[in-house]
Amino acid sequence: AQSVSQHNHHVILSEAASLELGCNYSYGGTVNLFWYVQYPGQHLQLLLKYFSGDPLVKGIKGFEAEFIKSKFSFNLRKPSVQWSDTAEYFCAVRGSSNTGKLIFGQGTTLQVKP
Amino acid sequence: EAGVTQFPSHSVIEKGQTVTLRCDPISGHDNLYWYRRVMGKEIKFLLHFVKESKQDESGMPNNRFLAERTGGTYSTLKVQPAELEDSGVYFCASSLRRAAWGYEQYFGPGTRLTVT
Repeated sequence: AQSVSQHNHHVILSEAASLELGCNYSYGGTVNLFWYVQYPGQHLQLLLKYFSGDPLVKGIKGFEAEFIKSKFSFNLRKPSVQWSDTAEYFCAVRGSSNTGKLIFGQGTTLQVKP
Repeated sequence: EAGVTQFPSHSVIEKGQTVTLRCDPISGHDNLYWYRRVMGKEIKFLLHFVKESKQDESGMPNNRFLAERTGGTYSTLKVQPAELEDSGVYFCASSLRRAAWGYEQYFGPGTRLTVT
């Protein structure tokens, strides 16, 4: 069965620290990969996505993620976090064999201290 | 362009009662998805509509859940009768075009359902 694992459930960082959130998935075929973010009181919004091509993708607000096919990973990074990055982050996978449904990881809550 | 909207934003009902959640997708989006997040767990897929047809309902937990999409526009998700374990946040998402592959999903704000 398809699954997504996010390594950290709760991360606390100080402003200007670097961020890396791990995401590994289990699926044998072609995938689309996503990171969604939910800011406090807001709805889920797309941070970045990988469909094909350059495995290093850049998203909004300075976030980027790298798809490493051999490791089944799609880790999210940001060189310097801000207090406004405090949110919950979700990694999601969509496999080529399904109708379009997303398989989500458990989510990682990021708290950035000013 | 209006985003995906959901109603109500929060519902509190007693065990055994019926609740109907509504989702209005982005205009022109043929694909509509329902997801649910139970507290502390991951967001899980419930079902997928293409226009008015159910494309995939493999995630529906049991027959107490009934989803409809009248005329291929808005969708409703009815829970009857509600049980305590149905509590959670129900998300709706929509995407453009019939071919779901390659098109991102846009999420609504969710409906928080509390069953007491």
